[in-house]
Amino acid sequence: KQEVTQIPAALSVPEGENLVLNCSFTDSAIYNLQWFRQDPGKGLTSLLLIQSSQREQTSGRLNASLDKSSGRSTLYIAASQPGDSATYLCAVRTGGFKTIFGAGTRLFVKA
Amino acid sequence: DTAVSQTPKYLVTQMGNDKSIKCEQNLGHDTMYWYKQDSKKFLKIMFSYNNKELIINETVPNRFSPKSPDKAHLNLHINSLELGDSAVYFCASSQERGWGVETNEKLFFGSGTQLSVL
Repeated sequence: KQEVTQIPAALSVPEGENLVLNCSFTDSAIYNLQWFRQDPGKGLTSLLLIQSSQREQTSGRLNASLDKSSGRSTLYIAASQPGDSATYLCAVRTGGFKTIFGAGTRLFVKA
Repeated sequence: DTAVSQTPKYLVTQMGNDKSIKCEQNLGHDTMYWYKQDSKKFLKIMFSYNNKELIINETVPNRFSPKSPDKAHLNLHINSLELGDSAVYFCASSQERGWGVETNEKLFFGSGTQLSVL
């Protein structure tokens, strides 16, 4: 059974700091991995998607990596800003149309 | 135009009542989902429909009945509501290519329906 774990559960950093969020999954048989952002009271927005054959994806200040064999992914946020404060969720797509989510990392960037 | 829209945004009701949540997507996607986010913010899949056909039913009580009148709509009806049903319910959609296929299709989520059962 696929399980997704995110560490840390919460993180508080000063503005301008570079940071890394971690995600691990137990079954390497995935089709893709997505990182989402969730703001309070709102839905999820997909930030980056890495297909199983890819190693990383980049969008602006965000970079996500995938090491399928070790069951790990990281989301790197460069030069963090207060507007980056949100919950970040990692999710893996498995067979049968299922996407399994981690519990998320709550990020707070202090001005 | 909102890509995935669900109504209502808030739903407060008494135990034992029956309620429905509606979801519509204008992205032309073939697959729609219902997810439940509990008080600990853990997001868990409940149902998935592909081309109006049920393909995932994740051990959800049969008080929950999804209905997909067409590819663009997936509604969720809940009978005999219980206190433990209180949660945020999210609708989502994606353009799936099929079983066992590597996919780069992202999931698009609605803004959620916060259900409170008193």
